[in-house]
Amino acid sequence: AQSVTQPDIHITVSEGASLELRCNYSYGATPYLFWYVQSPGQGLQLLLKYFSGDTLVQGIKGFEAEFKRSQSSFNLRKPSVHWSDAAEYFCAVAQPGGGGGADGLTFGKGTHLIIQP
Amino acid sequence: NAGVTQTPKFQVLKTGQSMTLQCAQDMNHNSMYWYRQDPGMGLRLIYYSASEGTTDKGEVPNGYNVSRLNKREFSLRLESAAPSQTSVYFCASSPTRSTEAFFGQGTRLTVV
Repeated sequence: AQSVTQPDIHITVSEGASLELRCNYSYGATPYLFWYVQSPGQGLQLLLKYFSGDTLVQGIKGFEAEFKRSQSSFNLRKPSVHWSDAAEYFCAVAQPGGGGGADGLTFGKGTHLIIQP
Repeated sequence: NAGVTQTPKFQVLKTGQSMTLQCAQDMNHNSMYWYRQDPGMGLRLIYYSASEGTTDKGEVPNGYNVSRLNKREFSLRLESAAPSQTSVYFCASSPTRSTEAFFGQGTRLTVV
């Protein structure tokens, strides 16, 4: 079964500093990969996705992520964070094409991002 | 621009009561999902419907039933609510199975 690990439960970053959120996955082949953001009391918003091709993907709100097959990682980065980036961030994987009981996304437990002024 | 709409947004139930959570999407998506979110647990898949007319169990299906009423609507039913079902429930839809999912705003359910 596929699984996702987000090693950092909380991360505190100063406003204007760079950010990297870690995500590692366990899966037999290359999965589809996603990052979502959740503001308090809200649903999840898709930041970016990777299906295939260029391993550096750009998303919304100035975020990017890099897929590294050798490390089974899909880390999220932002060069300069803003106070409005404070939220919960979730990494997720999916089996391409689904089926066999493996439909839907499998989520990590999330990383809570705190922005210091 | 409604996307995925869930009702109700908040609900308090007594142990043993039943209720149905409603979900509708207007994006003509084939696949729909129900997740629950608990503190420190991320989101876990309860049930999904890969296409109209089909439903399947996810990771945590016990105590729940679902109905894919038509392509737009996917409901989640708790027949006899238990305190362990206190959670935030999210409905989501995706164009096809296992592609990016679009989420509703959630239903916060408390079972006392």
